[in-house]
Amino acid sequence: IAGITQAPTSQILAAGRRMTLRCTQDMRHNAMYWYRQDLGLGLRLIHYSNTAGTTGKGEVPDGYSVSRANTDDFPLTLASAVPSQTSVYFCASSDEAGEDNEQFFGPGTRLTVL
Amino acid sequence: GQNIDQPTEMTATEGAIVQINCTYQTSGFNGLFWYQQHAGEAPTFLSYNVLDGLEEKGRFSSFLSRSKGYSYLLLKELQMKDSASYLCAVTDSNYQLIWGAGTKLIIKP
Repeated sequence: IAGITQAPTSQILAAGRRMTLRCTQDMRHNAMYWYRQDLGLGLRLIHYSNTAGTTGKGEVPDGYSVSRANTDDFPLTLASAVPSQTSVYFCASSDEAGEDNEQFFGPGTRLTVL
Repeated sequence: GQNIDQPTEMTATEGAIVQINCTYQTSGFNGLFWYQQHAGEAPTFLSYNVLDGLEEKGRFSSFLSRSKGYSYLLLKELQMKDSASYLCAVTDSNYQLIWGAGTKLIIKP
């Protein structure tokens, strides 16, 4: 593994189903983030984690949950998917949470909720 | 509220120079980033500014004026591979990144 990986690459999901998007990084970064990207809108932060064992809510957290059991993994769970959660989801990480820390992005997961 | 404005789309000619502007109004300011995103791919880091002035990095330069809430990304000697979206993002008082919607740059031969 080099950098950040996400799985699956894409998924079509029936409304009401539960779904977990996986994110793993091998850079030993402390901070990790989940964003969604929708056409015409900027990246919007869903949840973040400044260090293993801690998480926080971003701009659009409703309907999503995360956990950070260790440094490398940061899964995002949709408990009961709705069509408005159709989006491209990006996981990112940075060495630390702070003003000048460049974020590195995974390749994204394209999710369609029908 | 927090707001970052960028033009939606710009067109430029191969070999030319283009300037992509970004204006911001955020709760606090702890730096401004520019990222490049090719269609269907992840954003990748281009530049970071926290002090006023120009930062030059090869063909790309980024400028910041904190008093005006303004930045621009300057791309010189444009190449076809520069066709991408360019995202402006500001670190706010909570050290979270607030993102603009991005500027799609189309390069024509």
